[in-house]
Amino acid sequence: SQQGEEDPQALSIQEGENATMNCSYKTSINNLQWYRQNSGRGLVHLILIRSNEREKHSGRLRVTLDTSKKSSSLLITASRAADTASYFCATDGVNDYKLSFGAGTTVTVRA
Amino acid sequence: SAVISQKPSRDICQRGTSLTIQCQVDSQVTMMFWYRQQPGQSLTLIATANQGSEATYESGFVIDKFPISRPNLTFSTLTVSNMSPEDSSIYLCSADRGLNTEAFFGQGTRLTVV
Repeated sequence: SQQGEEDPQALSIQEGENATMNCSYKTSINNLQWYRQNSGRGLVHLILIRSNEREKHSGRLRVTLDTSKKSSSLLITASRAADTASYFCATDGVNDYKLSFGAGTTVTVRA
Repeated sequence: SAVISQKPSRDICQRGTSLTIQCQVDSQVTMMFWYRQQPGQSLTLIATANQGSEATYESGFVIDKFPISRPNLTFSTLTVSNMSPEDSSIYLCSADRGLNTEAFFGQGTRLTVV
């Protein structure tokens, strides 16, 4: 079963606005990864954040991790229509190579 | 990272038949995995494909239904056997180079069983 829970389930924003989505998990983790999926195709890896890191940036993406609250957030700044996709968080446990995926957040960016 | 080629990208199959999905990575990887994504849902791990030995299946998935091969470090196949409409899903291959490394995915196989 999925360890992660994501909210919101869906998000609709105007182009240029920021989008924030959250991921919570239940057990201790080694890493947390964020992925994007366009229209039911393959997953594109966005960012990996380790359990001893608190924040990571990649272009317009900012990921935070709070292990005390067992939660992470993904912020997309200055959104574009091309950011329309489903976003998933995935965690692996300590000494466990397998990924558990959250339910995902569907983001729609309106032009 | 690495590039994963997965084929077929989609197929429509008759119930009772089997389909084999291939996954080829462009460089050696440590771990390979197979996932199922049912319509509108998240990803569920089917099994870990072990090189040169039997795959490790997750709860709810069995070898007779989803036989998996991994003859070398860059190639794996998943067969969906004796298909029924409930098997209609996207099947995704994934690989990584061990703990603390990113997992990357193929483009998926969209399977429809009629």
